[in-house]
Amino acid sequence: AQTVTQSQPEMSVQEAETVTLSCTYDTSESDYYLFWYKQPPSRQMILVIRQEAYKQQNATENRFSVNFQKAAKSFSLKISDSQLGDAAMYFCAYRSALRGATNKLIFGTGTLLAVQP
Amino acid sequence: DVKVTQSSRYLVKRTGEKVFLECVQDMDHENMFWYRQDPGLGLRLIYFSYDVKMKEKGDIPEGYSVSREKKERFSLILESASTNQTSMYLCASSRSYNEQFFGPGTRLTVL
Repeated sequence: AQTVTQSQPEMSVQEAETVTLSCTYDTSESDYYLFWYKQPPSRQMILVIRQEAYKQQNATENRFSVNFQKAAKSFSLKISDSQLGDAAMYFCAYRSALRGATNKLIFGTGTLLAVQP
Repeated sequence: DVKVTQSSRYLVKRTGEKVFLECVQDMDHENMFWYRQDPGLGLRLIYFSYDVKMKEKGDIPEGYSVSREKKERFSLILESASTNQTSMYLCASSRSYNEQFFGPGTRLTVL
């Protein structure tokens, strides 16, 4: 069975600085997707960024980028130029891409990010 | 914009009550999901549905059932609520293998 581990329950960053959130996963599959979701306080969870396992190039979305290390089964999220609005719970998630697999997501336990002004 | 709505943001029920949590999406998505979110445990999948009247158990289905009579609506049912079902419940929907869109969540307290 696949598992996702986020070893940092809480992180803090100064406004305008850079922070990296860690995520590791375990799977025997070769084809899968990885995601980072953001859940702001009392607001809906939204997708931040996704990475296809077959792509070597790391995904980037504006100030958000990932460091995908397939061999190490590591998928960290880097937030550059942190803003107050980045304060949220961040979840790493895994989804199988095998033929016949469902669209089920497996989530980590989350990292609560605080942004200090 | 995709919109996923849940019937209540906060709900307080008593032990033994039958509880209905409703979720509606407006984008004709085939897949709908119910998750439970607890501190230190992340999100865990309770049930999901990939079509009307179709359902599959997730990782923690015990004590729950679901109903999907219409494509846009997916209901989570607690047949006899217990205190250990106090939690945040999140609904999500997706088209095929695409991004899941989440509702605002229902914080359920069972006394």
